[in-house]
Amino acid sequence: QQQVKQSPQSLIVQKGGISIINCAYENTAFDYFPWYQQFPGKGPALLIAIRPDVSEKKEGRFTISFNKSAKQFSLHIMDSQPGDSATYFCAAPRGAQKLVFGQGTRLTINP
Amino acid sequence: DGGITQSPKYLFRKEGQNVTLSCEQNLNHDAMYWYRQDPGQGLRLIYYSQIVNDFQKGDIAEGYSVSREKKESFPLTVTSAQKNPTAFYLCASSIDPSPGTTQYFGPGTRLTVL
Repeated sequence: QQQVKQSPQSLIVQKGGISIINCAYENTAFDYFPWYQQFPGKGPALLIAIRPDVSEKKEGRFTISFNKSAKQFSLHIMDSQPGDSATYFCAAPRGAQKLVFGQGTRLTINP
Repeated sequence: DGGITQSPKYLFRKEGQNVTLSCEQNLNHDAMYWYRQDPGQGLRLIYYSQIVNDFQKGDIAEGYSVSREKKESFPLTVTSAQKNPTAFYLCASSIDPSPGTTQYFGPGTRLTVL
């Protein structure tokens, strides 16, 4: 059964720094790896996703790096801002109908 | 505005009582999902539905039940058989059940068992 391991559980970064969150998955027959962002008391929202016909996808300050041979993918947040403080979840497909989510990373950006 | 609504936002239940959480979407999405969120455990899938009148168990379905009589509605009942129901419950929908489509989440219901 597909497992997704996400690290670290919590992360504190200074304003302007780079935040890096990592995920590892086991097996998947469907290539789609999203990251969701969740603010306290709210539902998660899609932040960025990659279909690994490419090894990297960038949207503004957010970048997904994907290593298919290592079965790992990571989220990089450049020039981190206090408004980026949130919980981040990676996810990977399981079967044809479901996503399995990582445990989440609570990111705090200090001003 | 299109989106997903969940009600109530906060819910308190006495032990031994069943309680139903509402989820409604006006996005015309075929697929709907219920997740449970506990601190440090991410989102765990309770039930999902690919189409009206059809639903499947997720990873932690024991003690829960659902129905999908209308495309826009997917209520979740937390029964007295659920041993530890205190959690944050999230409903989501996607245009189709493929894992490659974006899931849109509601604002959640926080259930507390007294």
